[in-house]
Amino acid sequence: KAGVTQTPRYLIKTRGQQVTLSCSPISGHRSVSWYQQTPGQGLQFLFEYFSETQRNKGNFPGRFSGRQFSNSRSEMNVSTLELGDSALYLCASSILEGSDTQYFGPGTRLTVL
Amino acid sequence: AQSVTQLGSHVSVSEGALVLLRCNYSSSVPPYLFWYVQYPNQGLQLLLKYTTGATLVKGINGFEAEFKKSETSFHLTKPSAHMSDAAEYFCAVSSNRDDKIIFGKGTRLHILP
Repeated sequence: KAGVTQTPRYLIKTRGQQVTLSCSPISGHRSVSWYQQTPGQGLQFLFEYFSETQRNKGNFPGRFSGRQFSNSRSEMNVSTLELGDSALYLCASSILEGSDTQYFGPGTRLTVL
Repeated sequence: AQSVTQLGSHVSVSEGALVLLRCNYSSSVPPYLFWYVQYPNQGLQLLLKYTTGATLVKGINGFEAEFKKSETSFHLTKPSAHMSDAAEYFCAVSSNRDDKIIFGKGTRLHILP
């Protein structure tokens, strides 16, 4: 069974631009969670989607948004990029929502210049 | 609110020596506990998890962890370190099936030859 895939793997943007990241979960998994990983803050939870509905949300500004499609694929969008948004963005999928075991993708490395 | 504390952002052990990575949690209800490993430029991989039942949990790659409720701890151990164990390790907690997973800040394990 294929693992979680994330595209693109690397991205360079400039301040003020917007970006969309994509995540394809493991087949049969209906929950997708997004995390931001930085050296200073570690892993921070962004949001979780289950069956196209946002189930949980972390403490990030409204510039960070996401959605989930009927095939469970998910996208996250960051508008008006800031330098501090440079991070590794990880997507994780699980069969059920919440505390079910999560399987992580390799991440998208976003660099904001 | 739940939280996770990993003692030591960096731990160094000699090859063949015991690995001990410490994790303490706080949760007002019985926790679900996880250990994940992250190799360079990769996503997180589940090592092991505790939900209910036996308090000593065995995971992949020879790792195990013991849930100690009285100490609110879930320390990760491996009897004999191998060079390939060099990575970053994350402890995580969740408190019920509808709650999000909270990650610790991680411990980077260095293996000395």
